[in-house]
Amino acid sequence: ETGVTQTPRHLVMGMTNKKSLKCEQHLGHNAMYWYKQSAKKPLELMFVYSLEERVENNSVPSRFSPECPNSSHLFLHLHTLQPEDSALYLCASSVRLAGSPNEQFFGPGTRLTVL
Amino acid sequence: GIQVEQSPPDLILQEGANSTLRCNFSDSVNNLQWFHQNPWGQLINLFYIPSGTKQNGRLSATTVATERYSLLYISSSQTTDSGVYFCAVMTSGTYKYIFGTGTRLKVLA
Repeated sequence: ETGVTQTPRHLVMGMTNKKSLKCEQHLGHNAMYWYKQSAKKPLELMFVYSLEERVENNSVPSRFSPECPNSSHLFLHLHTLQPEDSALYLCASSVRLAGSPNEQFFGPGTRLTVL
Repeated sequence: GIQVEQSPPDLILQEGANSTLRCNFSDSVNNLQWFHQNPWGQLINLFYIPSGTKQNGRLSATTVATERYSLLYISSSQTTDSGVYFCAVMTSGTYKYIFGTGTRLKVLA
């Protein structure tokens, strides 16, 4: 257990569906992240939230919509996805404080399949 | 942007063997982590090590920041060490870690 939970763990959806991924951290961190891991590729950062404000959007298509209602929760809303969006989606959290280590802790991931 | 290269890409060991994994990066970093990704996809923190040397049981890591590389040592490997090992680096003034492509390790009984 890393202190970061993700639900659901597995998700199968059609291209016209709308679904949401949820991440919750119990570590008292102030920054949260979404990553995408496709087969045979390195992890790609999608979004960064610091103090509930989005500070990084890594050229992610608009069919992915993040939401960070508070420092403990992060959502990724999915709409009209493509089969190539099938991947493992990982959430992470860390403390962002000037001069302090930025060590990220990851959740177990949601394995998404788009049909 | 910064480039992160890991070597070797694949490694097969007999149980009990030792190994060294390497991470090279192309720019100065102020944060560096090593992770182990298990077969179920969970990323497990091994070390936070932007510089210096750390040890944790059979694992140790060394980062030489001035020469832009980090090494992960695994001694007396066990089958449970199998998986993918990633290093990730962050440069100052940025919010994001850049991950290497990983070293896939298989330890045979």
